[in-house]
Amino acid sequence: QKEVEQNSGPLSVPEGAIASLNCTYSDRVSQSFFWYRQYSGKSPELIMSIYSNGDKEDGRFTAQLNKASQYVSLLIRDSQPSDSATYLCAVSKAAGNKLTFGGGTRVLVKP
Amino acid sequence: EAQVTQNPRYLITVTGKKLTVTCSQNMNHEYMSWYRQDPGLGLRQIYYSMNVEVTDKGDVPEGYKVSRKEKRNFPLILESPSPNQTSLYFCASSFGTEPDTQYFGPGTRLTVL
Repeated sequence: QKEVEQNSGPLSVPEGAIASLNCTYSDRVSQSFFWYRQYSGKSPELIMSIYSNGDKEDGRFTAQLNKASQYVSLLIRDSQPSDSATYLCAVSKAAGNKLTFGGGTRVLVKP
Repeated sequence: EAQVTQNPRYLITVTGKKLTVTCSQNMNHEYMSWYRQDPGLGLRQIYYSMNVEVTDKGDVPEGYKVSRKEKRNFPLILESPSPNQTSLYFCASSFGTEPDTQYFGPGTRLTVL
């Protein structure tokens, strides 16, 4: 079992709709959770970080964390064609320094 | 401008010829890290450093070396490159000693023939 798992997609979403991305992780001591966006041929850029259970909103993005179920999700509201990218989930352990990435979910927003 | 720079951006080399990929950041970050990205395998951490002279292995350290003699620089060294090290490499840095908000460099595409 991979430490961090994501559905590779592609997740096809009509413009204006909500894109829902999921990520599960295997290590219960994981402490910090991140969502990165990566456009084709570019480097990853951080969208959201979340450290405690519940929801965290930033503009059109909402990250949700459920440590009991070991999953973290990302919602993209009012999806735009510019949101078409690969979204990477990353996890680091409590008091740890390693960062483990999932394989990424490719999102396609169609006009 | 706050940034992480990598050089070279593209490199084609042959098996066994030692090479170094440089990484430099101008944000006074403590934490620096190297990743490789391969299709179907995602981003995998090679080595990381929490500060000067403090480095540790990530998930795929075999065949790589690093050093952190200055805070701003974190070079990745391939002493004897092999074709399975053909990949896209990213350097990243973040403030503090843990992998919080990481800023990624533009990437180095390496091909080993």
